[in-house]
Amino acid sequence: AQKITQTQPGMFVQEKEAVTLDCTYDTSDQSYGLFWYKQPSSGEMIFLIYQGSYDEQNATEGRYSLNFQKARKSANLVISASQLGDSAMYFCAMAPRRTSYGKLTFGQGTILTVHP
Amino acid sequence: KAGVTQTPRYLIKTRGQQVTLSCSPISGHRSVSWYQQTPGQGLQFLFEYFSETQRNKGNFPGRFSGRQFSNSRSEMNVSTLELGDSALYLCASSLDPDTQYFGPGTRLTVL
Repeated sequence: AQKITQTQPGMFVQEKEAVTLDCTYDTSDQSYGLFWYKQPSSGEMIFLIYQGSYDEQNATEGRYSLNFQKARKSANLVISASQLGDSAMYFCAMAPRRTSYGKLTFGQGTILTVHP
Repeated sequence: KAGVTQTPRYLIKTRGQQVTLSCSPISGHRSVSWYQQTPGQGLQFLFEYFSETQRNKGNFPGRFSGRQFSNSRSEMNVSTLELGDSALYLCASSLDPDTQYFGPGTRLTVL
């Protein structure tokens, strides 16, 4: 079984500053993928970034980077230079990289509020 | 390339009725998964279809069912609706383990 824990129900950040959203996971799978999604109030889940368990380098996508620490089972999302439009719910998720790769397990989410 | 589409976007039903939701994946994606999102339970996996076969199933009652067609489009059906079925239903399509893209969701309200 897989489990994702997001311990920050809400986070606040000033515009143009960086923010880190925490995510820890637990799994017995040797090969897995970690995902971060953004969900604005409209409800759509927007893919942000992906990290494979065997990827040696941390993933980056524009202003998003994933701080992957495999030994600690953590996959924190770092958003640099926050923008007002970044205010949303953020979900960390994982899936096995075998035949069940369509089955995502989600954390409870973190609400990010960006202040001007 | 077109994204994942879901229809309808909003739906209002009454208890005891049934409902069918539709999901069209990104072209070339053969895996389609369904999720239920509620304020109390968060995001929960319903089932996954791959090449017209159910590959995984979550812990939901038999009232929840789905299918996938040869063009990879998928439908999910909920029979005998209950108030607790009110939720946002999200569909995701995958090409491989590194991709999981979601549609805009169908917001179902059961009265």
